Amino acid sequence: ETGVTQSPTHLIKTRGQQVTLRCSSQSGHNTVSWYQQALGQGPQFIFQYYREEENGRGNFPPRFSGLQFPNYSSELNVNALELDDSALYLCASSLSVTNTEAFFGQGTRLTVV
Amino acid sequence: DAKTTQPNSMESNEEEPVHLPCNHSTISGTDYIHWYRQLPSQGPEYVIHGLTSNVNNRMASLAIAEDRKSSTLILHRATLRDAAVYYCIRLNYGGSQGNLIFGKGTKLSVKP
Repeated sequence: ETGVTQSPTHLIKTRGQQVTLRCSSQSGHNTVSWYQQALGQGPQFIFQYYREEENGRGNFPPRFSGLQFPNYSSELNVNALELDDSALYLCASSLSVTNTEAFFGQGTRLTVV
Repeated sequence: DAKTTQPNSMESNEEEPVHLPCNHSTISGTDYIHWYRQLPSQGPEYVIHGLTSNVNNRMASLAIAEDRKSSTLILHRATLRDAAVYYCIRLNYGGSQGNLIFGKGTKLSVKP
């Protein structure tokens, strides 16, 4: 059984650019959530996908968008990057939308300069 | 709003028990208590969860107060690998893992 994997592990982008982060969920998991974790803070919920549909969203602007694919892997896209978008982006998967045991990846460290 | 209160940091000695407290005085009857931990340079890891009764698993025990306004995560014998940030989270019954609202957690240091 493979765990949640994210790519890339580190990324540096320039303000105003766009970025795509990728996540492969744990085998058999159909629900994926994305979180943003700023330095010294706990993770903040961005949005969740269940069976390819967005199933909930946190307090993030529309320039944060996502996709979930038929194999339940997922992408997080961020447009018009701002310096404050620099953070660790975490992907978490679970067996179903009502299963509360989430399995997190190691994250992608995004630096915006 | 994390809706739980935890100490910012705690210290423990290796091989001794650790009791990590959490206050959730405004908890509703259908809120579960979940604990996650985050080791350095890793994503959070599920530890345990419970509603009313005390719970045990291979990682830890969860003691929930009778009035449910507080709970304690118990690590029976701390190891160096247990050094992490521990998050106590309220989650409404039926809420999905996307409803996990993390606070700042408690940073646990374990001394050899």
